[in-house]
Amino acid sequence: NAGVTQTPKFQVLKTGQSMTLQCAQDMNHNSMYWYRQDPGMGLRLIYYSASEGTTDKGEVPNGYNVSRLNKREFSLRLESAAPSQTSVYFCASKKGDIGTDTQYFGPGTRLTVL
Amino acid sequence: GEDVEQSLFLSVREGDSSVINCTYTDSSSTYLYWYKQEPGAGLQLLTYIFSNMDMKQDQRLTVLLNKKDKHLSLRIADTQTGDSAIYFCAEKAGNTPLVFGKGTRLSVIA
Repeated sequence: NAGVTQTPKFQVLKTGQSMTLQCAQDMNHNSMYWYRQDPGMGLRLIYYSASEGTTDKGEVPNGYNVSRLNKREFSLRLESAAPSQTSVYFCASKKGDIGTDTQYFGPGTRLTVL
Repeated sequence: GEDVEQSLFLSVREGDSSVINCTYTDSSSTYLYWYKQEPGAGLQLLTYIFSNMDMKQDQRLTVLLNKKDKHLSLRIADTQTGDSAIYFCAEKAGNTPLVFGKGTRLSVIA
C-alpha cells in the first residue's frame, strides 16, 4: 500500500496562474480532505468529501475548488493563484466517520505563489 | 464554533519527560487525538482517547483527559532527540471533520 500520495511535491506559480493538486489513496477510504498549513496557523480545512460524489466546504474554501473524481482521487484546483495561497497543502483520507478510524495524511505539496 | 488551543513551543532535555497540553471548547467531543509531524512530512496519528476515559498509556506515551476542564495532555517519558517534532491535538464531535490545534513544536536538547 502506498497510502496517500500527492503530486507534485513542490510547485512555484506566478500570480494569476492556475494549477491542480492531485491526491490519491489506495486504502479504499470513503472520506478525503484537503488542508493547508501555514506557520502559526496550524492545519486549516479547505474542503472535504465524506463519500464519493459529495464535497463540502471547510474553514477556508475561498479561492479553491475540488473534485472527487472517484473513490481513490480527490483533487484541489487553484483557478487564479494569489500570494496568500503560498502554503503547504496536505491531503488526508479516512475509512469512515467512526472515531476510531485513523486519518492518514499525504506527504504534502509545497506551493509558492510569486 | 469548536476551538482547540495549544502552546506553540516546548523545549526539554534528552531523558526528561515532556508534557504537551491542549484545551478544547466543544463539550460534545467524543474522541481526542494526538498527531505527530516530523520535518518535511505529513501528520501521523500517535494515539487517541475516548471521551469517557481519563487516561490511556501506550509505551512511553501517557494521555490524560480532564473532561470537566476540557483539558488534554500528552506525556512523553524519557524524551529522545527523535521525538523532536510538531505535536497536534485534535478533537472529533459528531459527524464533523476533526478540528486541529495549531501544534506544539517540541525541541529536545541533547
